[in-house]
Amino acid sequence: NAGVTQTPKFRVLKTGQSMTLLCAQDMNHEYMYWYRQDPGMGLRLIHYSVGEGTTAKGEVPDGYNVSRLKKQNFLLGLESAAPSQTSVYFCASRRPGTSNYGYTFGSGTRLTVV
Amino acid sequence: AQRVTQPEKLLSVFKGAPVELKCNYSYSGSPELFWYVQYSRQRLQLLLRHISRESIKGFTADLNKGETSFHLKKPFAQEEDSAMYYCALSGKTSYDKVIFGPGTSLSVIP
Repeated sequence: NAGVTQTPKFRVLKTGQSMTLLCAQDMNHEYMYWYRQDPGMGLRLIHYSVGEGTTAKGEVPDGYNVSRLKKQNFLLGLESAAPSQTSVYFCASRRPGTSNYGYTFGSGTRLTVV
Repeated sequence: AQRVTQPEKLLSVFKGAPVELKCNYSYSGSPELFWYVQYSRQRLQLLLRHISRESIKGFTADLNKGETSFHLKKPFAQEEDSAMYYCALSGKTSYDKVIFGPGTSLSVIP
């Protein structure tokens, strides 16, 4: 049981390049989330999804797009990377009705934009 | 507004000393409160939830609704407790997202 898997684990991009981060979960969770983690700012929600085919904006969605074509996968895209997007990105998931159980997190993707 | 504050960015204590990581929140209603822990270069893990009133790895946290606080405590700190700690809250409905505080980095000095 892998839980939540993120790929890649590390990536260096040049300004203006594009990339896609993949989050995959094998727990049949309906809800999935993308957060970015920055020093002194904690985790901030980028986008989230409450089911296959649905996505919604979080706190800091600008510069990112997402897709949830399959229930188990939640993709985060950067169309034109900027140095301000240098961060550690975490994916998380949970089942509906389990708000009091918190999230299951992936191991993170460390992205550097130069 | 929904918000979680953790006043201390860094906290250093000696091994064996008591430790308290502070957390205050603002929320219209009765939220679910959590503490997450992130050890060096690892994924975030749920440490404990207020609803279960449990003690994990010697840590406890009491929800004080009057002071809107959810401080994390441990009577005797261990070196392996050194980590980043995040306080978080969530509403009780299915769609509610988890809101995280800025985090406190705990360093336990041998």
